[in-house]
Amino acid sequence: AQSVTQLDSQVPVFEEAPVELRCNYSSSVSVYLFWYVQYPNQGLQLLLKYLSGSTLVKGINGFEAEFNKSQTSFHLRKPSVHISDTAEYFCAVSERGTGGFKTIFGAGTRLFVKA
Amino acid sequence: SQTIHQWPATLVQPVGSPLSLECTVEGTSNPNLYWYRQAAGRGLQLLFYSVGIGQISSEVPQNLSASRPQDRQFILSSKKLLLSDSGFYLCAWKGTGDSGANVLTFGAGSRLTVL
Repeated sequence: AQSVTQLDSQVPVFEEAPVELRCNYSSSVSVYLFWYVQYPNQGLQLLLKYLSGSTLVKGINGFEAEFNKSQTSFHLRKPSVHISDTAEYFCAVSERGTGGFKTIFGAGTRLFVKA
Repeated sequence: SQTIHQWPATLVQPVGSPLSLECTVEGTSNPNLYWYRQAAGRGLQLLFYSVGIGQISSEVPQNLSASRPQDRQFILSSKKLLLSDSGFYLCAWKGTGDSGANVLTFGAGSRLTVL
């Protein structure tokens, strides 16, 4: 069975500082990995995804993530954050279930960017 | 283009009352459909998913049920609400095909408060 662990529930950071949001997963088979962002009272939007190939994946809004198979990690990074990056970020794993593909999410990391 | 609609957006219901949340998708056919619940501080919990009309997979035994009466319609129901059913309910769809690489597209969510 798959699971996703986001190691930090909240990450406060100053504007223009770098940030890393950590994600570890467990799965018995090959998986697809995703990061989604949720702004207050909205649904989720895709930031980036890893399917195969290069382990460094670039997404929207200057975010990137690196897939590390040996450490089963998929950490999200941004070299310089902006106030508008304040949101909740979810790491997710997609794997085949008995009734089709299903996506499992981590508990989320709330990023708070301070001026 | 594809769009996903959820309603109602906000709902306040007494304990013991019934529930019906509706989700419809436009601009695609035979989508995979999902219901998630987001409780405060607990991330997204997969409740149900469906790969076709009348086909429902349940992830967590609970007070809720789901139905898919039409190809692009997914309904979440309860006969008697509990306080613990409060939360933010998100419907999502994924494109057809036997691939977990398809990205989930989320609706705007339905916020349920049970009093």
